[in-house]
Amino acid sequence: AQSVTQLGSHVSVSEGALVLLRCNYSSSVPPYLFWYVQYPNQGLQLLLKYTSAATLVKGINGFEAEFKKSETSFHLTKPSAHMSDAAEYFCAVSPVTGGGNKLTFGTGTQLKVEL
Amino acid sequence: DAGVIQSPRHEVTEMGQEVTLRCKPISGHNSLFWYRQTMMRGLELLIYFNNNVPIDDSGMPEDRFSAKMPNASFSTLKIQPSEPRDSAVYFCASSNRDINTGELFFGEGSRLTVL
Repeated sequence: AQSVTQLGSHVSVSEGALVLLRCNYSSSVPPYLFWYVQYPNQGLQLLLKYTSAATLVKGINGFEAEFKKSETSFHLTKPSAHMSDAAEYFCAVSPVTGGGNKLTFGTGTQLKVEL
Repeated sequence: DAGVIQSPRHEVTEMGQEVTLRCKPISGHNSLFWYRQTMMRGLELLIYFNNNVPIDDSGMPEDRFSAKMPNASFSTLKIQPSEPRDSAVYFCASSNRDINTGELFFGEGSRLTVL
């Protein structure tokens, strides 16, 4: 079974600082990987996705993630945090075939941005 | 374009009562997912449908939970009888499985409180 592990349930950064949210996956074959963001009282929305094309994936709001097969990682980064980035971030995994878009989510990382 | 529409947004009920949550997926999508989100367990997939047919209901907690999708534009999740431990935010999401890149589109959720 596929799974993702997000290290750190809470991350706090200063405005303008680097954002790094960690995600490691477990899968017998390279899967599809995703980052979703959830703002308070809202549903999840897609930030970016890796679907076996370029290993460095750029998403919305200046976020990007790099797929590293050797490290089974898909960490999310943003060079400079903004107050509006405060939200909960979820890493998710889906099988490449036969999964029918069935996503398994990590436990989430709450990002706090301080002045 | 209209996104995934869920109703009600908030529901407060007493233990033992029947609860029905509703979802209208995005037009043209052929997969529909029901997720439950709690602080303790995070996001859990309860059930998903492809072309209105339930494919995997292994996440449904027990017989008190049931889900239907009578047509491509409507789904319900029913809890009968409800219990306090069912209190959670229930999300509906839809996707186009023919594209198979795993992007799910989420509704804003139904927050259920069972007293």
